[in-house]
Amino acid sequence: SQQGEEDPQALSIQEGENATMNCSYKTSINNLQWYRQNSGRGLVHLILIRSNEREKHSGRLRVTLDTSKKSSSLLITASRAADTASYFCATARSDSWGKLQFGAGTQVVVTP
Amino acid sequence: DAGVIQSPRHEVTEMGQEVTLRCKPISGHDYLFWYRQTMMRGLELLIYFNNNVPIDDSGMPEDRFSAKMPNASFSTLKIQPSEPRDSAVYFCASSPRTSGYEQYFGPGTRLTVT
Repeated sequence: SQQGEEDPQALSIQEGENATMNCSYKTSINNLQWYRQNSGRGLVHLILIRSNEREKHSGRLRVTLDTSKKSSSLLITASRAADTASYFCATARSDSWGKLQFGAGTQVVVTP
Repeated sequence: DAGVIQSPRHEVTEMGQEVTLRCKPISGHDYLFWYRQTMMRGLELLIYFNNNVPIDDSGMPEDRFSAKMPNASFSTLKIQPSEPRDSAVYFCASSPRTSGYEQYFGPGTRLTVT
């Protein structure tokens, strides 16, 4: 089964709005990462948050991590049409060096 | 840096044929991963290497799949014989030891087995 499960599966918003997606996981982790995949392309790393961090920012991205609830959220502020993509969370388990487990992804569509 | 390079980008083959997918990781990266992505099953880790040594191949579907990494700059994923259910996009990714395991993905190989 997938370590990370994203919610919602799909999200449709207009340019300028914020997009929020969530990820839940099951086991103890070293860090949690978010990736973006544009249609027909490979995944691109967006941001990494370590297990001892609660919040991290990168440009228009804000990630939170709640290890007690085993959940994370990704917020994209002031969305643009170019943000249209699938977003995946991936967890690096404490007992698996180097290996990531990816969720099923959230498909985000931003309309102009 | 050119990023992770995969070839071919598209492959169409007939059932029963051998298929070889190739990957050149980013120079200096210690880890190399092979994934398969389908609509039904999402992104699946097939196998990964650390310093050219296979560490975990538990995701390899069956004996028809094999992967090698003869040196730090090259890896292959071979399917022999191929079946229609192997149709998918296959990604190679690499990761440096010094990072928090963040991975850099190639553009993928879209495999169609007819």
